[in-house]
Amino acid sequence: ETGVTQTPRHLVMGMTNKKSLKCEQHLGHNAMYWYKQSAKKPLELMFVYSLEERVENNSVPSRFSPECPNSSHLFLHLHTLQPEDSALYLCASSQGRGAEQYFGPGTRLTVT
Amino acid sequence: GQNIDQPTEMTATEGAIVQINCTYQTSGFNGLFWYQQHAGEAPTFLSYNVLDGLEEKGRFSSFLSRSKGYSYLLLKELQMKDSASYLCAVRDPPDGATNKLIFGTGTLLAVQP
Repeated sequence: ETGVTQTPRHLVMGMTNKKSLKCEQHLGHNAMYWYKQSAKKPLELMFVYSLEERVENNSVPSRFSPECPNSSHLFLHLHTLQPEDSALYLCASSQGRGAEQYFGPGTRLTVT
Repeated sequence: GQNIDQPTEMTATEGAIVQINCTYQTSGFNGLFWYQQHAGEAPTFLSYNVLDGLEEKGRFSSFLSRSKGYSYLLLKELQMKDSASYLCAVRDPPDGATNKLIFGTGTLLAVQP
């Protein structure tokens, strides 16, 4: 595997379910990110982890809970989501200042 | 506030040249990125400008004017596969260990035969 991978690619869940999104980067980067992409809206930064420490939380509701067990893996734990949380969730990683972020293919989440 | 503006949609003809503009108003600035995103796929990095001027990379070029808060992406010799959304993103804050990117809504480019 190369680059940034995400699983699952598609997820349908009810409002009372608990699920987790997984991201893995094979690039040796030291920072990882979760973004939310909704139709007609800009990419929204949710969380930033640098050296496995959360350095940013952009006022994300507590029903989204990130976890970064090591520099290669990032999880987004989901529980009691709302229909408006349906979106494409993208993971990215980067290394160094001024360096570009590499994105994973995303998880298309639908909350019913 | 943080604001990045791009046209919502553009249409161009195969073989032609198209310029996608981006204007920004952010509290800080330490570089501007352009990404390409095909439908249902991940954004992929195209270019990065931190100093004023033109950066050329094959068929794609990107220009930055920091004093005007303005950038454009120039695509030459358009191909059908260039049909995609093009995202402009500004890196803010100016200093820090991580890249915090503020994205525009993207410009959906349709290349016609």
